[in-house]
Amino acid sequence: EDQVTQSPEALRLQEGESSSLNCSYTVSGLRGLFWYRQDPGKGPEFLFTLYSAGEEKEKERLKATLTKKESFLHITAPKPEDSATYLCAVQDKGSGSGYALNFGKGTSLLVTP
Amino acid sequence: GAVVSQHPSWVICKSGTSVKIECRSLDFQATTMFWYRQFPKQSLMLMATSNEGSKATYEQGVEKDKFLINHASLTLSTLTVTSAHPEDSSFYICSALGRPGSPLHFGNGTRLTVT
Repeated sequence: EDQVTQSPEALRLQEGESSSLNCSYTVSGLRGLFWYRQDPGKGPEFLFTLYSAGEEKEKERLKATLTKKESFLHITAPKPEDSATYLCAVQDKGSGSGYALNFGKGTSLLVTP
Repeated sequence: GAVVSQHPSWVICKSGTSVKIECRSLDFQATTMFWYRQFPKQSLMLMATSNEGSKATYEQGVEKDKFLINHASLTLSTLTVTSAHPEDSSFYICSALGRPGSPLHFGNGTRLTVT
C-alpha cells in the first residue's frame, strides 16, 4: 500500500482558473509533510513544510493546508509559469530512514493561456 | 537559500563501465545525504541514506555492491554505478540535510543513459 497518494495524476487549467491538488498519506507518526515543485529534467524545488493538522502556509499563488489524513495545495489564479509537477512527500517518525522523504507520484499541472 | 550541486547533469556510458556522480552542499554542512532514483513519470524512490564518515544504509532491493556510496566529508557524497547496464538508465537525484528538521534540498539530478 502506498504511503502517499496524490490526485489527480494530471490537471489542465486555464490561466486564472483556481483549483486544488490532493495528497493523502498514512504514517505511523508524521514528522513533516512537504510540497515540492519539479520542472522537467530538474530536481525538486522546495515549496512548503507542514508539521501539524490545521497548519497552513502560503507563497504567492500557492497555499498548503494539512489535516490528519491529507494535505491540499490550493492554486489561486494560476499562470502558465505555474505549470510543473507538484510532489507531496512525508517524513515518517516510524521510518527506519530517519529524515528521508517518501514521495507520492505527483500531479502534473498544465496551465494554458 | 540552501544550494545542492550535482555533477554531471547528464552522462552516457557503455554497458559494463562505471559512472561516478557527485553531490555537494555548497553553503551548508550536510551530515546526511540521500540518493533517489526516478524513472519516467514515476515518483522519486529512495535508494540509500548516506551519513558522513559511516557506511551508507540501502533500501530494500537496492544492491549495495552495484551502487557504491561514499560520504567522505560534510559537503560531498558520491554515488558510483558499477558495471552499468541499460536497466540502470534513470534520473539520479541527491538531497542533503542540514540541521534536523530543516527541509531537504535537492540537486538538479543526473540523467544516466547506458548503451
